[in-house]
Amino acid sequence: GENVEQHPSTLSVQEGDSAVIKCTYSDSASNYFPWYKQELGKRPQLIIDIRSNVGEKKDQRIAVTLNKTAKHFSLHITETQPEDSAVYFCAGSVYNDMRFGAGTRLTVKP
Amino acid sequence: GAVVSQHPSRVICKSGTSVKIECRSLDFQATTMFWYRQFPKQSLMLMATSNEGSKATYEQGVEKDKFLINHASLTLSTLTVTSAHPEDSSFYICSARDPRGVQGNQPQHFGDGTRLSIL
Repeated sequence: GENVEQHPSTLSVQEGDSAVIKCTYSDSASNYFPWYKQELGKRPQLIIDIRSNVGEKKDQRIAVTLNKTAKHFSLHITETQPEDSAVYFCAGSVYNDMRFGAGTRLTVKP
Repeated sequence: GAVVSQHPSRVICKSGTSVKIECRSLDFQATTMFWYRQFPKQSLMLMATSNEGSKATYEQGVEKDKFLINHASLTLSTLTVTSAHPEDSSFYICSARDPRGVQGNQPQHFGDGTRLSIL
């Protein structure tokens, strides 16, 4: 089955700096890669996703890149703000069988 | 946006009690829902996949007789923790697959979770 690894487990940045979270996956058949943001005590919320036929996708300050050959994908957050502080989960999906990474706790210091 | 409702948000009960948690998709029909368990500061651990009108598919190591799942309609799945014990205390969270996405690339939308505490 699919195995998704996520790094780093914790990330601390200064407000205004960029943050990058990286994930690798094991199953080359994986074709869908969503990213979720989970604030303390709240539900994970889908923030951006990318499909295997796309190399990059951007939504305002958030972007995701996918390298199918290397089987890794990354989340980029630019101009970070304190409200970006949360746990971020990547996931890989093989025809809707979705597996999550271990999560990255992002702290944005004001 | 897609909304998934989960109830109750918190349960505190005595050991030996059975607890039922409901997960509803409010604005779309979900043939597939998922139940996760999340330990403090850890990731989402998939327990089982709930399929409307058929038996749930459990992940390895998850006791199906302990965690009963029923998905009787396209908008409701329930998880019943039977004869709960302190080690079952955890944060349980459901999600529903949104069928309106591209086939094979459909996102999951999560409920708010249920914090279960067994005394």
